[in-house]
Amino acid sequence: DIQMTQSPSTLSASVGDRVTITCRASQSISNWLAWYQQKPGKAPNLLIYKASTLESGVPSRFSGSGSGTEFTLTINSLQSYDSATYYCQQYDSYPLTFGGGTKVAI
Amino acid sequence: EVLLVESGGGLAQPGGSLRLSCVASGFSFSDHYMDWVRQAPGKGLEWVGRSRNKFHSYTTEYAASVRGRFTVSRDDSKNSLYLQMNTLKTEDTAVYYCARGAMCTRSSCPDPFDIWGQGTMVTVSS
Repeated sequence: DIQMTQSPSTLSASVGDRVTITCRASQSISNWLAWYQQKPGKAPNLLIYKASTLESGVPSRFSGSGSGTEFTLTINSLQSYDSATYYCQQYDSYPLTFGGGTKVAI
Repeated sequence: EVLLVESGGGLAQPGGSLRLSCVASGFSFSDHYMDWVRQAPGKGLEWVGRSRNKFHSYTTEYAASVRGRFTVSRDDSKNSLYLQMNTLKTEDTAVYYCARGAMCTRSSCPDPFDIWGQGTMVTVSS
C-alpha cells in the first residue's frame, strides 16, 4: 500500500499569511494526487487534482505543486474561512489512500 | 444540481449487518465510478470501496480492512449505489460518504473524488 504522510499535522497562522502543507508518498505516484478541504461536520471538498490543477470554483489563492513522492499545497493570503482540515490523497493505485490531515487554525 | 444523498446509517450490534444507500442526481450516474469513503469520529478519511461503471463490467475494489465483509453494488436504473456491511466490528463506526469518481470509458482512469454526499453515521456498539 502507498502511505501518504502529511506535515505538519496542525498549524496556526494569521489572516493574510501564506501557508504550505507537505504531503509525501511512500513510492512514486506520478502526479496522481488530490487535495481536499474539510470543515467540521461537512463532507470534504476537492481543491486540486493532478497535483496542480485547480478544481473549478476554487479560489486561485490555492495552489499545488510536486510530482513523484513530494507534493505541496500552498494557500496564499489566508482568509478566516480557510480554517479547516486539509487532506492529500493518492489515486495512482489501490488501495486509494489519504494523508492523515493538516488542521489549519486561524 | 449535482447531488449525492446517503441513507441507511444507524446503530448496529457487533457481528450485525447494515445496508447503506446513495442516490445520485444531476449527472449521468451510469458513466461514473462510484466510491465509499468513511471517517471514524475525530479521525481522518479512509477509502472503503469502489464500483466501476458498466464499461468496466461493474467490477469492484476494496480496502483490506473491509474485504470479505463489505460489498459495493449499484443499480444504474435507480441512480443508486449501495454498501452492504456484514460482520460489523466496533472499528467500523464512522460517517460513511458516497463519492463520485471518474467518468471512464478507457482502460485506466485515475481521478479524484469530485462530488461527495453529506454522509451517514454508522455506529457499531452493543
